Amino acid sequence: DGGITQSPKYLFRKEGQNVTLSCEQNLNHDAMYWYRQDPGQGLRLIYYSQIVNDFQKGDIAEGYSVSREKKESFPLTVTSAQKNPTAFYLCASRGPGQGFYEQYFGPGTRLTVT
Amino acid sequence: AQSVSQHNHHVILSEAASLELGCNYSYGGTVNLFWYVQYPGQHLQLLLKYFSGDPLVKGIKGFEAEFIKSKFSFNLRKPSVQWSDTAEYFCAVRQGGADGLTFGKGTHLIIQP
Repeated sequence: DGGITQSPKYLFRKEGQNVTLSCEQNLNHDAMYWYRQDPGQGLRLIYYSQIVNDFQKGDIAEGYSVSREKKESFPLTVTSAQKNPTAFYLCASRGPGQGFYEQYFGPGTRLTVT
Repeated sequence: AQSVSQHNHHVILSEAASLELGCNYSYGGTVNLFWYVQYPGQHLQLLLKYFSGDPLVKGIKGFEAEFIKSKFSFNLRKPSVQWSDTAEYFCAVRQGGADGLTFGKGTHLIIQP
């Protein structure tokens, strides 16, 4: 099955620790995205990558870092500098070309930091 | 910066009622418009999208939306809702040639049988 996988589904960390969220896709998509979803806030763009070895900050990049070493993978690290890390994190990908811009979403990882 | 407003955060309807969820955006240039749905326990999935052409677009599961450029609106409609339409609905906008989407805060729709 083609799709986007995010693991784990639930993640718990202590305050002050960095944590890395996994996102893998087998859709052969060039572009990948990370969004954060908070109750009553919708989704907000953290980082995106249009091609391997390149990525751009989104609207709320502070306290996060990413890498894009492989086309299939776009891991997100939530650093200890992120003031409110507890949230639901969604990864998405998009196929080539701009004509039919459509993002496909993974199942998400719910991160709880205490 | 682009912003997207969804007027109703919670909507409760009975089965067979008609539905209209409002969405307004702030950007005055070229936009691509989307409605996504998140059913309980499922992935966020695309309901419908508008790029150009006919401003009335039809999506999956009987949903449709109308783009009214003069009102900066992209309202979602369904003539007769079902219990299975219970979900969270998000309006999203892509501004011009930018990458990434700007989402509204979502509308939680509950359909009572």
